[in-house]
Amino acid sequence: AQRVTQPEKLLSVFKGAPVELKCNYSYSGSPELFWYVQYSRQRLQLLLRHISRESIKGFTADLNKGETSFHLKKPFAQEEDSAMYYCAPAWQAGTALIFGKGTTLSVSS
Amino acid sequence: NAGVTQTPKFRVLKTGQSMTLLCAQDMNHEYMYWYRQDPGMGLRLIHYSVGEGTTAKGEVPDGYNVSRLKKQNFLLGLESAAPSQTSVYFCASSYAAGSYEQYFGPGTRLTVT
Repeated sequence: AQRVTQPEKLLSVFKGAPVELKCNYSYSGSPELFWYVQYSRQRLQLLLRHISRESIKGFTADLNKGETSFHLKKPFAQEEDSAMYYCAPAWQAGTALIFGKGTTLSVSS
Repeated sequence: NAGVTQTPKFRVLKTGQSMTLLCAQDMNHEYMYWYRQDPGMGLRLIHYSVGEGTTAKGEVPDGYNVSRLKKQNFLLGLESAAPSQTSVYFCASSYAAGSYEQYFGPGTRLTVT
């Protein structure tokens, strides 16, 4: 069965520090990968997808097929980055995204 | 465009009561989903629909029923609410499956006492 693992429930960093939110997925074909974000009291929204290879709000994510990982990175965290982050692979044969359990990022000054 | 809307925003039920959550989208999306969000459990798929008149079970379907009579609406029903169904419920829609972005509603906070 396809699985996605976000090993950290909570990640606390200081403003200006680098951030890496980890995501690992089980291998079954070639998924497309997404990161969704949920700011406090807001709905989930797409942050970025690996296929577009873009940087959103300073975040990037690289797909590492060898390690089956899709870690989200930002070189300098800002307080407004505090939110819940979900990694979500989409397998081509599947009909729905499978979300990880999420990582809460807390950025303090 | 309103995007994805959910009704109601909050609800408190007593054990055994029933209710229906309504999700509506105005983006002409084929796919719609219902998730529940619980602390430490992330988002779990309850049911989904790949088009008008179709529904399918997700990861945690027990205790819930759904209907998709119109393309723009996806209803989630609880026939006999239980405290374990206390959660935040999110509806989402997408143009198609897999690699397409899902658009989420604002959520419904349900408490069952």
